[in-house]
Amino acid sequence: AQSVAQPEDQVNVAEGNPLTVKCTYSVSGNPYLFWYVQYPNRGLQFLLKYITGDNLVKGSYGFEAEFNKSQTSFHLKKPSALVSDSALYFCAVRDGLGGGYQKVTFGTGTKLQVIP
Amino acid sequence: GAGVSQSPSNKVTEKGKDVELRCDPISGHTALYWYRQSLGQGLEFLIYFQGNSAPDKSGLPSDRFSAERTGGSVSTLTIQRTQQEDSAVYLCASSPSPQGPDTQYFGPGTRLTVL
Repeated sequence: AQSVAQPEDQVNVAEGNPLTVKCTYSVSGNPYLFWYVQYPNRGLQFLLKYITGDNLVKGSYGFEAEFNKSQTSFHLKKPSALVSDSALYFCAVRDGLGGGYQKVTFGTGTKLQVIP
Repeated sequence: GAGVSQSPSNKVTEKGKDVELRCDPISGHTALYWYRQSLGQGLEFLIYFQGNSAPDKSGLPSDRFSAERTGGSVSTLTIQRTQQEDSAVYLCASSPSPQGPDTQYFGPGTRLTVL
């Protein structure tokens, strides 16, 4: 069974400071990993994904995430936080083992609050 | 182009009534997913459709929940005899194909309130 954990319900960071939102996962095979963001009163939007290749993945709005296989982590990062980054962030994982349909499992979400 | 649309955006109903929630996926997307988002609970997978294949219903919480997808496009999620614990935001997503790591595109959701 696959699973994903977001250990922090909320992360607070000052505007201009670097931010990290943590995510760890568990799958049988190689993982496909995703980050989605949900801004207030808006739907979920795709930020970035890791499939294979470089461990550092760059996505929308200046976000990036680092895949660490030994630590089974896929933390979301941004060098300088903006107030407009305040939102709910979801990590998701899909087992890349085999072909065909594989369900995506989402984490419980981390609320990011950027303080002016 | 047009994204995933859902209707209604808000639905208030009385306990025991049936409700129908609609999802229009992005044209050409073969995969369609329903999730439930409760306050503080994250996203809960409900059901998945892919083309003409049998749907994955493993996430449906009870037999009061059902869903269909007509013509491989529009989907309706039906909740019978609604309970207060059914109150949540119901999200629909579509993707071009479940083969491989396709991004899911989410609709704005339907906020269901059961009184």
